[in-house]
Amino acid sequence: QQPVQSPQAVILREGEDAVINCSSSKALYSVHWYRQKHGEAPVFLMILLKGGEQKGHDKISASFNEKKQQSSLYLTASQLSYSGTYFCGTAKNYGGSQGNLIFGKGTKLSVKP
Amino acid sequence: DAGVIQSPRHEVTEMGQEVTLRCKPISGHNSLFWYRQTMMRGLELLIYFNNNVPIDDSGMPEDRFSAKMPNASFSTLKIQPSEPRDSAVYFCASTLAVGVDISGNQPQHFGDGTRLSIL
Repeated sequence: QQPVQSPQAVILREGEDAVINCSSSKALYSVHWYRQKHGEAPVFLMILLKGGEQKGHDKISASFNEKKQQSSLYLTASQLSYSGTYFCGTAKNYGGSQGNLIFGKGTKLSVKP
Repeated sequence: DAGVIQSPRHEVTEMGQEVTLRCKPISGHNSLFWYRQTMMRGLELLIYFNNNVPIDDSGMPEDRFSAKMPNASFSTLKIQPSEPRDSAVYFCASTLAVGVDISGNQPQHFGDGTRLSIL
């Protein structure tokens, strides 16, 4: 049930773009994205609730394809501050224990000057 | 506004000892989650509470683990007796659940975690 993230790790030069994918074998109600810097807590980035929904703020955006049970996180013109491990968390259904998040193993992003 | 507060930040203890981790959720939040993070298994949900009531504890590894939430502003996770394989970072998170939803459509706010080492 754990969503699968790809790639496991990516190294970028400042200004380059990256895409992180999250896929599930189960039907999804929502997808959450979090970023965790080394030694710190995960920090919420965004939630996608509807099939085909796309969200973004600043230069980080995401899409959610409900039919394909997939979500992608897009980082454009990466900055040094984008470095960290990105986690997707998926919820299978609305409400109760089915609304629990199951997190992927993360994608480690390193942005170099 | 104060975020989720966890204590202690670090704990080192010997195998067999009792360990108690503490969490104060964000004021006004009605759902609280305990997670464990390791390199091998990633971020795992142990238990969550809604309005101070445990809803799902299926992620608790075994009877050595127990969690309580005596009121809306405090929760504990206890390990007794502790074992080296319990070494991990333990996070507490809270959210304001809307309607019957627990976590699916609301962001979770994480505390800074407790880094636990069992020798």
